[in-house]
Formats: sequence, structure tokens, C-alpha cells
Amino acid sequence: AQSVSQHNHHVILSEAASLELGCNYSYGGTVNLFWYVQYPGQHLQLLLKYFSGDPLVKGIKGFEAEFIKSKFSFNLRKPSVQWSDTAEYFCAVNAGGGGNKLTFGTGTQLKVEL
Amino acid sequence: GAVVSQHPSWVICKSGTSVKIECRSLDFQATTMFWYRQFPKQSLMLMATSNEGSKATYEQGVEKDKFLINHASLTLSTLTVTSAHPEDSSFYICSARGGARGTDTQYFGPGTRLTVL
Repeated sequence: AQSVSQHNHHVILSEAASLELGCNYSYGGTVNLFWYVQYPGQHLQLLLKYFSGDPLVKGIKGFEAEFIKSKFSFNLRKPSVQWSDTAEYFCAVNAGGGGNKLTFGTGTQLKVEL
Repeated sequence: GAVVSQHPSWVICKSGTSVKIECRSLDFQATTMFWYRQFPKQSLMLMATSNEGSKATYEQGVEKDKFLINHASLTLSTLTVTSAHPEDSSFYICSARGGARGTDTQYFGPGTRLTVL
């Protein structure tokens, strides 16, 4: 069965700092990869997704993620975080092509301080 | 686009009663919807996959007779928690699968907070 690991459970950064959140998955076949964000009191929103092609994916709000197949990783990055980026971030994997169920990581709580 | 709504957003009920939660895709058709449960400070756990016009597929450990799922149309799926007990108190989230084949994505509803007294 596929699994998703997010090693950073809580991250605290100052505004303008750079962000990188780790995500590793265990599945040997074709995967689709997602990052979702959950702002306080709000529902999950899609940040970005990877299906194929360029392994460097650009998402909304200045986020990007890089798919490194050899490392089974899909880390999320942002060069300069803002206070409004305070939220919980979930990595998710859909194995075997589109339409299948998502397996979520445990989430990373990001707090950005002014 | 790709908006998913849930109703109600929160509900409080007495132990032993049943509660129905609706999930609607507002601006797209969804042949597949998913129901999740999220515990405080934890990730989403998939409960079941709901396909329009057919029976839902439940994840291991989820009681299908307790969590009844109906997907009667391409824009509506319902989750009914039957004979609810305090341990069923949780945050229930639905998602709807949308987008072009091969790049389809799950879009999430805002969730329903269920409290069973």
C-alpha cells in the first residue's frame, strides 16, 4: 500500500524566510502528486499538482514543488513566506493514475511570525 | 470553478439519532466523490469512495451499515451517520473528482463538524 511521509510536523518561520516542506512517498509505479493547504478555519485548497512533464511545478501564491523520482520526493518550496501563509500543508499521492483515491501525509503546521 | 459545498457546516445531535450530510459539486459534474474523516490535528482518513449510480466502496475498518452513502446524481452525494454515538463526533469532509481525464483532481468541501452528545 502507498504511504506518504511529511517529516516536518511543525515549522515556525519569520516573514521573508524561505520555506521547504518535505514529502516522501512509497510507491514504485506511476504517481500523481498534490499539495493542499488548509488555512485556519477554512477548507482544503489545492496549491499545486504534478501529473507528468516538467518535474518543477508552479502553484498558486508563489509556491512550487519539485518531483524527484529517484528520491520518491515532492518537496514544497516558497522563496519568501508571508504571515498569511500560516496554515497546515498536506502532501497527497494518487497512485496508478488519475481518479484513484488520495493518500495524505500527516500534515505540516506552518506558522509565520511577523 | 470547481466549488464543492457541504451542508450542514455543523450539527449537534443526541446519541442514537441519525444525521445526514450533503456534499454538492456546484459548477461541475462529479462521477466520483470521496468522504473523509479528520480528527483534531491529524490528517484526513478516507472513509469511502462514492460513485454515481452504484454502491460506495468503503475503506477497511469503516462500517458501511453505520455510514450510509448515497450518490444519486452527478452533483450530489450524501453521508448518513446512523445511530450516532459520541465516538462518531468528528469533522467530516467530502471531495469531488473533477477535471479532464488524466489530470483530474479532488476538490474539497468545507467540512461538517458533527458533535454527538
